[in-house]
Amino acid sequence: EAAVTQSPRNKVAVTGGKVTLSCNQTNNHNNMYWYRQDTGHGLRLIHYSYGAGSTEKGDIPDGYKASRPSQENFSLILELATPSQTSVYFCASGDAPGRNTGQLYFGEGSKLTVL
Amino acid sequence: GDQVEQSPSALSLHEGTGSALRCNFTTTMRAVQWFRKNSRGSLINLFYLASGTKENGRLKSAFDSKERYSTLHIRDAQLEDSGTYFCAAEATSSGSWQLIFGSGTQLTVMP
Repeated sequence: EAAVTQSPRNKVAVTGGKVTLSCNQTNNHNNMYWYRQDTGHGLRLIHYSYGAGSTEKGDIPDGYKASRPSQENFSLILELATPSQTSVYFCASGDAPGRNTGQLYFGEGSKLTVL
Repeated sequence: GDQVEQSPSALSLHEGTGSALRCNFTTTMRAVQWFRKNSRGSLINLFYLASGTKENGRLKSAFDSKERYSTLHIRDAQLEDSGTYFCAAEATSSGSWQLIFGSGTQLTVMP
């Protein structure tokens, strides 16, 4: 069974503060993704990675950084959090070869509230 | 415009009844996935289809790449089926296949 775990599951931050969302996968998948999901929208891609040391900008990368220090871990970093970044964030890993998304396995989500 | 159009945006069903969700695509997609976001906020994989149909319990999904649509049928709906359902399709982007999500269908199953 694919396993993707996120932490924290819930976070309240203040405007201007730094927030780090962590994701760990035990699937040995090369590709990992960070999405945000807002009411009335599908999931939107923020950053992704093809393997350790790689990070790529997704569709809405502004205000976010990412870090992939190892195959298993992929972090999303908000250096200066803003209220517009209040959302639910999902991490996923993918089993497709190369730069294809393929079938994704999601974590349980991290709810971030920026006051 | 959006490459993935999901409908309806909201749906109410009584227990025991059924209905279908649909995603239309504006371009050829390689595969489609269906997810459910449950009350705890978790995204659950339902189906991954490159073609044809798949069935799992009371859920059945179809994907027609040529006709550019996918459907998710729910029969004998139960209270625990409530949640937001998303389709996501693989479209080409800069030489690779990337997922594009529909905007979701909020399903409410009533007693």
